[in-house]
Amino acid sequence: AQTVTQSQPEMSVQEAETVTLSCTYDTSESDYYLFWYKQPPSRQMILVIRQEAYKQQNATENRFSVNFQKAAKSFSLKISDSQLGDAAMYFCAYRALSGGTYKYIFGTGTRLKVLA
Amino acid sequence: EPEVTQTPSHQVTQMGQEVILRCVPISNHLYFYWYRQILGQKVEFLVSFYNNEISEKSEIFDDQFSVERPDGSNFTLKIRSTKLEDSAMYFCASQGTAGYGYTFGSGTRLTVV
Repeated sequence: AQTVTQSQPEMSVQEAETVTLSCTYDTSESDYYLFWYKQPPSRQMILVIRQEAYKQQNATENRFSVNFQKAAKSFSLKISDSQLGDAAMYFCAYRALSGGTYKYIFGTGTRLKVLA
Repeated sequence: EPEVTQTPSHQVTQMGQEVILRCVPISNHLYFYWYRQILGQKVEFLVSFYNNEISEKSEIFDDQFSVERPDGSNFTLKIRSTKLEDSAMYFCASQGTAGYGYTFGSGTRLTVV
């Protein structure tokens, strides 16, 4: 069974600095998707970035980028120039293909605090 | 940008009562999901729905739960006899094609008292 592990329950970063959130996963599949979702206090789930496993190139979305290491099954999120609005829970998610649909398996989350 | 709409945003119900959580997915999407997040815990898969039937369900999704797409637009989650441990945030999500991520709704906070 696939699993997703986020080993950092909480991280802090100074405003304007860079922070990296870790995520590892376990799967026997060769093709899959990985996602980072942000959950602010409103508890809405907001897609931050996604990565296709077959792509070597790391995904980038403005200040957010990933370091995808397929062999190591690692998928970390880097936030550059951190802003106060980045403070939230961040969930890493693996999208399995099962039963013809695409359920997500989430990690336990990392709470990011941004210090002014 | 198209949205997934969930109603109500917050529902309080007595233990043992039936509740129906409603979702309006994005209109041309084909795959629909319900997830649950107990306060302070991770988001857990409940059920996926495609072509008017359940594709997969988790162990959490027992006989107390059911889903329906009654009119081609709404997608509902029914809990027949709520328990205290059903208190959680329930997220609906829809997906257009296999290659893209979900769009999540803003969630329904269910409180069972």
